[in-house]
Amino acid sequence: GAVVSQHPSWVICKSGTSVKIECRSLDFQATTMFWYRQFPKQSLMLMATSNEGSKATYEQGVEKDKFLINHASLTLSTLTVTSAHPEDSSFYICSARIGGIGTNEKLFFGSGTQLSVL
Amino acid sequence: EDQVTQSPEALRLQEGESSSLNCSYTVSGLRGLFWYRQDPGKGPEFLFTLYSAGEEKEKERLKATLTKKESFLHITAPKPEDSATYLCAVQARYSSASKIIFGSGTRLSIRP
Repeated sequence: GAVVSQHPSWVICKSGTSVKIECRSLDFQATTMFWYRQFPKQSLMLMATSNEGSKATYEQGVEKDKFLINHASLTLSTLTVTSAHPEDSSFYICSARIGGIGTNEKLFFGSGTQLSVL
Repeated sequence: EDQVTQSPEALRLQEGESSSLNCSYTVSGLRGLFWYRQDPGKGPEFLFTLYSAGEEKEKERLKATLTKKESFLHITAPKPEDSATYLCAVQARYSSASKIIFGSGTRLSIRP
C-alpha cells in the first residue's frame, strides 16, 4: 500500500514556542493532504485540508493563524503549531488521498505526532 | 446530520473467541464505508472499503459486511496481535475525502 511518512513521532516543547510537523507521501504524489487531531480514546477530528499550491481549507473552529499549513510540493505538507500552549497538546495525524472524487478514493495515514507542550 | 456510532466502546476476548464489532451510520447517501485499524501511538491503517449494501470483504481473520444502516467487522478466532482500536468511517455521496466522518472506535483486547 501507499506510504505516508510523518515526522517527528513525538515532540516536547515549551509553552510559547512553535513546532513544525512534516507529512510526506513517499511513493505517490498527493495533491490533497489532510490534518487531523485526536485526543485520547476519541476519534479523529479533521482540522484542515491541505491543497498543493493553494491555501488550506480549515474546519470550523480551527484557528488558521495558529495552525499554519503549507503544501509546497506534491509530496510534502507541513503543519506548524505557532505559539504552542498546553491545550495544544494532542496527537496530530496527517493523511494523503489517492484517487479522485468518483473513483476508488482511499486515505492513507501517517504514523502520527504526539505533541506535549509544557 | 451525518453520524457514525461504534459499539461496543471496548471489547475483551479470549484468544480464539470470535465476535463482531458494530458500526451504525446515518449519512445522506453513502459513497463508501471504511474500516481502519489503529495501534496505540500510531496512525490508522487501512483495512477495507465497502460501497453498497450486501457487500462483504475479507482479510485474514477479519470480514467486513455492510447493510443500509450498519456495518459489522467480524473477527474469527482472534489472536493477541489483533488487539487494537478499530475505526469505522463513512463518506457521503458527492463529497470528497475531506468529509469522511470517523466513529470513536472500538478498543479490542485479545487475551492469550
